[in-house]
Amino acid sequence: NAGVTQTPKFQVLKTGQSMTLQCAQDMNHEYMSWYRQDPGMGLRLIHYSVGAGITDQGEVPNGYNVSRSTTEDFPLRLLSAAPSQTSVYFCASNFNEALSTEAFFGQGTRLTVV
Amino acid sequence: DQQVKQNSPSLSVQEGRISILNCDYTNSMFDYFLWYKKYPAEGPTFLISISSIKDKNEDGRFTVFLNKSAKHLSLHIVPSQPGDSAVYFCAASAGGGADGLTFGKGTHLIIQP
Repeated sequence: NAGVTQTPKFQVLKTGQSMTLQCAQDMNHEYMSWYRQDPGMGLRLIHYSVGAGITDQGEVPNGYNVSRSTTEDFPLRLLSAAPSQTSVYFCASNFNEALSTEAFFGQGTRLTVV
Repeated sequence: DQQVKQNSPSLSVQEGRISILNCDYTNSMFDYFLWYKKYPAEGPTFLISISSIKDKNEDGRFTVFLNKSAKHLSLHIVPSQPGDSAVYFCAASAGGGADGLTFGKGTHLIIQP
């Protein structure tokens, strides 16, 4: 069972570069979300999607774009990387219609922007 | 302003004893609470949850207590085992979770032999 798969696991970017963090789930979950975790902080919601073609902003959306063309995939795009985006990024999916219920998380992508 | 607070960054407990992790919240709209466990280099894994209509939920060695009047919840682990050593996050949501989860900063639980 793959669950939620994130790629890459590690990435170093130069300031101003763009990249896409990939997230895929094989559980046919409608609800997917992206969080970032910074040292000494809890996870903070960046963007989420309640189904294919529908996305919305979370607590810290600036500098990130998302799209949801299929149920399985929910990529996160950094348009112009900044050092403040150095963080660990987690993708999650939920089987229930509410984001509040049990979420399955990927293993994370550790991003460093220099 | 932090809406979910875990005021103990770390907690050390002897193996076999009870571990009690605490969490306070300020948003009275929160109606669903969850605990996640996280090992280094892994994503968080769901542990246990509780709805605001209950004051206790139990699952094996794990029990979560909710005190709505005090806006406080706690996670009890009995007995504590070495594999319980991890970071524990308290999370909350409001109104069906349409705005996602709000997490605390986490408590690093260390189980000593």
